Amino acid sequence: AQSVTQLGSHVSVSEGALVLLRCNYSSSVPPYLFWYVQYPNQGLQLLLKYTSAATLVKGINDFEAEFKKSETSFHLTKPSAHMSDAAEYFCAVSDSGGGADGLTFGKGTHLIIQP
Amino acid sequence: DADVTQTPRNRITKTGKRIMLECSQTKGHDRMYWYRQDPGLGLRLIYYSFDVKDINKGEISDGYSVSRQAQAKFSLSLESAIPNQTALYFCATSDPPRTGLYEQYFGPGTRLTVT
Repeated sequence: AQSVTQLGSHVSVSEGALVLLRCNYSSSVPPYLFWYVQYPNQGLQLLLKYTSAATLVKGINDFEAEFKKSETSFHLTKPSAHMSDAAEYFCAVSDSGGGADGLTFGKGTHLIIQP
Repeated sequence: DADVTQTPRNRITKTGKRIMLECSQTKGHDRMYWYRQDPGLGLRLIYYSFDVKDINKGEISDGYSVSRQAQAKFSLSLESAIPNQTALYFCATSDPPRTGLYEQYFGPGTRLTVT
């Protein structure tokens, strides 16, 4: 069975500062990893995914994440925060063909952008 | 038009009532999922379906049932609603494994309150 730990239920950064959201996973087999974003009163939107190709993954809105097997991590970063980045972010893992049997989600990190 | 739609978007019901949440998709996907989201807990898988005749329990299926009426429709029922089923419910579909895309597509959610 797999699991996901997101460090920090709330992260606050200033506009223009680096965004770093942490995700560590546990999986008995090579994982597929995802970051989703949820804006207020909306569903989930895929930011980026790791599916055993390049370890540095680039996503939408200048987000990227690096898969580090030795650290079992898949942290999400963005060089410069924008007010529109304020949202809930979820890391998710699957070890069965990329989510065929459903995804296991972390508890989420609420990103707050300070003006 | 949205690829994954859910009805109703909001519902308040009383303890002991039967309620059905409906999901429709126009993506032509065979695989569909129901998740619930609780504050601080992330999303958890309730049921998933690979096709009309293939229904599988997820992590938290107790108290829920599902029906896959057609490829495009997947309904979630609460036979006798209880207050701790108050949550945000999401339906999702996923790309077929043969595509190698591994993305799940989420509906806008149904906010259910059980009083």
